[in-house]
Amino acid sequence: KQEVTQIPAALSVPEGENLVLNCSFTDSAIYNLQWFRQDPGKGLTSLLLIQSSQREQTSGRLNASLDKSSGRSTLYIAASQPGDSATYLCAVTERNSWGKLQFGAGTQVVVTP
Amino acid sequence: ETGVTQSPTHLIKTRGQQVTLRCSSQSGHNTVSWYQQALGQGPQFIFQYYREEENGRGNFPPRFSGLQFPNYSSELNVNALELDDSALYLCDISLGIYNEQFFGPGTRLTVL
Repeated sequence: KQEVTQIPAALSVPEGENLVLNCSFTDSAIYNLQWFRQDPGKGLTSLLLIQSSQREQTSGRLNASLDKSSGRSTLYIAASQPGDSATYLCAVTERNSWGKLQFGAGTQVVVTP
Repeated sequence: ETGVTQSPTHLIKTRGQQVTLRCSSQSGHNTVSWYQQALGQGPQFIFQYYREEENGRGNFPPRFSGLQFPNYSSELNVNALELDDSALYLCDISLGIYNEQFFGPGTRLTVL
């Protein structure tokens, strides 16, 4: 059974520091991995989607890497800003799973001015 | 812009009642999934509809049921509400299975 873990559960950094968020999964037979952002009480905003054949994806200050063999993904956010404060969730899609997402519990990030 | 909308935004019900939540999106997004997110946890998959048919189901009892309509809008119905059903309910659309997925803002359900 696929399990997705995110460590740490919470993180606080001063503005300008780089953020490093970790995601691990137990079954490497994934189709893709997606990172989401969630503001309090709101829905999920897709940040980056990495296909299983890719090693990384980049969008602006965001970069996500994927190491399928070790079951790990890392989301890097460069030069953090107070507006980056949110919960970040990773989710994997397994093969033969109708595309359903298996989520981690998230990392709550606070960026202090 | 995928334009995923959910209604209502918030809802308060009492134990034993029934509730219907709605999700709508742009035409062409033929796959819709529903997730339940309890406080402090990641979303849990309830079920998925593809071209109006249930395509997969998570570990939820039959009192959770759904529909997808020809215009791709969708409903989630929950019967015999329990206190543990209190959660944020999210719908998620995509253009086909395994493609990038887009979430609506969610419906916050409170069961008293």
